[in-house]
Amino acid sequence: DIQMTQSPSSLSASVGDRVTITCRASQGISIYLNWYQQKPGKAPKLLIYGASSLHSGVPSRFSGSGSGTDFTLTISSLQPEDFATYYCQQSYNAPFAFGRGTKVDVK
Amino acid sequence: EVLLVQSGAEVKKPGESLKISCKTSGYDFATYWIGWVRQMPGKGLEWMGIIFPHDSDSRYSPSFQGQVTITADKSINTAYLQWHSLKASDSAIYYCARHSRGNEWDAMDVWGQGTTLTVSS
Repeated sequence: DIQMTQSPSSLSASVGDRVTITCRASQGISIYLNWYQQKPGKAPKLLIYGASSLHSGVPSRFSGSGSGTDFTLTISSLQPEDFATYYCQQSYNAPFAFGRGTKVDVK
Repeated sequence: EVLLVQSGAEVKKPGESLKISCKTSGYDFATYWIGWVRQMPGKGLEWMGIIFPHDSDSRYSPSFQGQVTITADKSINTAYLQWHSLKASDSAIYYCARHSRGNEWDAMDVWGQGTTLTVSS
């Protein structure tokens, strides 16, 4: 099975900061990589699919890049509503494992 | 509008059985894979398995294979997650989500609100 390693597990940032989260797959997954955002007490929401495609309604300050084994989620200018936990997920082969998550909180 | 509405919170005893539901609307239920995700208290997301309602083809994570059963009823556009003998360690929030696919992508694009399961003696 493919394992997903996300880093960091948490980070502290301020509004306006540029934030970068990385995700590494244990084997090549082409661009079958998704990013989700989850706020406390809420269901996850899809942000990015296919490594770099923005899901409908997601602000353009979110972007994704990478292919093969190494991927990045970037928030260009952190907004108050972006404090949340972010998960990567591979969808190359079932089981479609998630990373352990990155919690973004207030500095 | 695509909606996934899950059944309500459950409190069960160890050894009991349970089936929770995910009722969908707003799209052709039979032609999209639908999956289940577990989130234990204070923990991350765990992908459990998926089903294709058209022919009931299903795939499970090895961690959940044999522990749960995923089914779907095309006549009422509803997916299910079932346990035959609950354990305290099954206490968690369970989410259903639709899988959408395209050219070189496959993602869980619409989620249910979650069902909280508490298993305690």
